[in-house]
Amino acid sequence: DTEVTQTPKHLVMGMTNKKSLKCEQHMGHRAMYWYKQKAKKPPELMFVYSYEKLSINESVPSRFSPECPNSSLLNLHLHALQPEDSALYLCASSQGISSTYTQYFGPGTRLTVL
Amino acid sequence: GENVEQHPSTLSVQEGDSAVIKCTYSDSASNYFPWYKQELGKRPQLIIDIRSNVGEKKDQRIAVTLNKTAKHFSLHITETQPEDSAVYFCAASKGNAGGTSYGKLTFGQGTILTVHP
Repeated sequence: DTEVTQTPKHLVMGMTNKKSLKCEQHMGHRAMYWYKQKAKKPPELMFVYSYEKLSINESVPSRFSPECPNSSLLNLHLHALQPEDSALYLCASSQGISSTYTQYFGPGTRLTVL
Repeated sequence: GENVEQHPSTLSVQEGDSAVIKCTYSDSASNYFPWYKQELGKRPQLIIDIRSNVGEKKDQRIAVTLNKTAKHFSLHITETQPEDSAVYFCAASKGNAGGTSYGKLTFGQGTILTVHP
């Protein structure tokens, strides 16, 4: 299995809602990432997990809360989002945290905040 | 931090022509340079990558060249086909193979490639 999967594919939420994005990989990778991508822009790194521990937080607002329950799963909990948070949220994984390892991306969750 | 500039922002070619996309980077310590292709509404997919111990790498119709002295690298697509139409992102990072330190993957701004039949 060489895929990263993400659910849901699409999500519409109000500014007062709480929702979660899920990501899963079964490649035995030990590093997992969350990126945010706006239309026609490159992915922007949000968080990096290595061996289930948060290694990097790119100064992301606290309304985004990541969680890594085990080596195969990565969640992103969302609360009190703003309309400008609407974007494609991509999960990625790699064999290790060194960025010379290839990062494999999931299909993304298209998030709309009303 | 690293800065990656990518040109052109849009590229339009006829089917069968070649396409070249160029990127420059600022951090001379960067040693890993992947290229991702992203079709509309889909995930970025790695199409080729190069490490700083080689100058050129080829995979069928796709090749990447790296000039460390000038700090630039290029993607070459030959015999383009309509299915090559997509956004292409270059990226750069530094790190030790198998190491435990994280080197951020910095992306260029992307090139929208359109191949006309």
